[in-house]
Amino acid sequence: QCVLTQTPSVSGAPGQRVSISCTGNSSNIGAGYDVHWYQQHPGRAPKLLIYGNNNRPSGVPDRFSGSKSGTSASLAITGLQAEDEADYYCQSYDNSLTVVFGGGTKVTVL
Amino acid sequence: QVTLKESGPALVKSTQTLTLTCTFSGVSLSATGMSVSWIRQPPGKALEWLARIDWDDDKIYSTSLKTRITISKDTSKNQVVLTMTNMDPVDTATYYCARIGGYSYGAPYFDFWGQGTLVTVSS
Repeated sequence: QCVLTQTPSVSGAPGQRVSISCTGNSSNIGAGYDVHWYQQHPGRAPKLLIYGNNNRPSGVPDRFSGSKSGTSASLAITGLQAEDEADYYCQSYDNSLTVVFGGGTKVTVL
Repeated sequence: QVTLKESGPALVKSTQTLTLTCTFSGVSLSATGMSVSWIRQPPGKALEWLARIDWDDDKIYSTSLKTRITISKDTSKNQVVLTMTNMDPVDTATYYCARIGGYSYGAPYFDFWGQGTLVTVSS
């Protein structure tokens, strides 16, 4: 099982806001390591969406935002669009010196 | 532009050793700070980090797989190689190589990914 826990699925109508949570523990997110987020469309490689909790790489729309508090982090998508339908993964680091991922959240646009 | 591409067998048998190669361009593996990881994803499942190799040949492995995997590099060819021994059907997955684009409060993030290569393990 994955070290970081994510809600398996969320859904929303176009234009709405959805939020995805990512929960870790005192050995990873709670230890102070930042959280990153990836978007993955079916059959495609993951794409970096958010790094350092709340920073967007060039080209990522500002409707995507992230935050972190304690042992958890969250990704918000505002103004949901059809192309946002995808799987989303959180990722951090662990005191065991390994990269850890969440189990993924499937976002469905109704 | 940085590009990465994985190559290797699409099908291996149980107990065999898998060897995958990641060939990249647009950046040199010998550049200070350059690091590449292997990450896999079983069909319909989550991402799993496997290993990392740095420009200075430092290596880190997944705790659960460290007895079975080896990561190495050929700087002259700009390639990173992953070997995994004693393959099992549960190792069936798409294997990705990805570049570490930076670190944020200790956590590396992956900014460039290969397209992935699906490896199926038959029993």
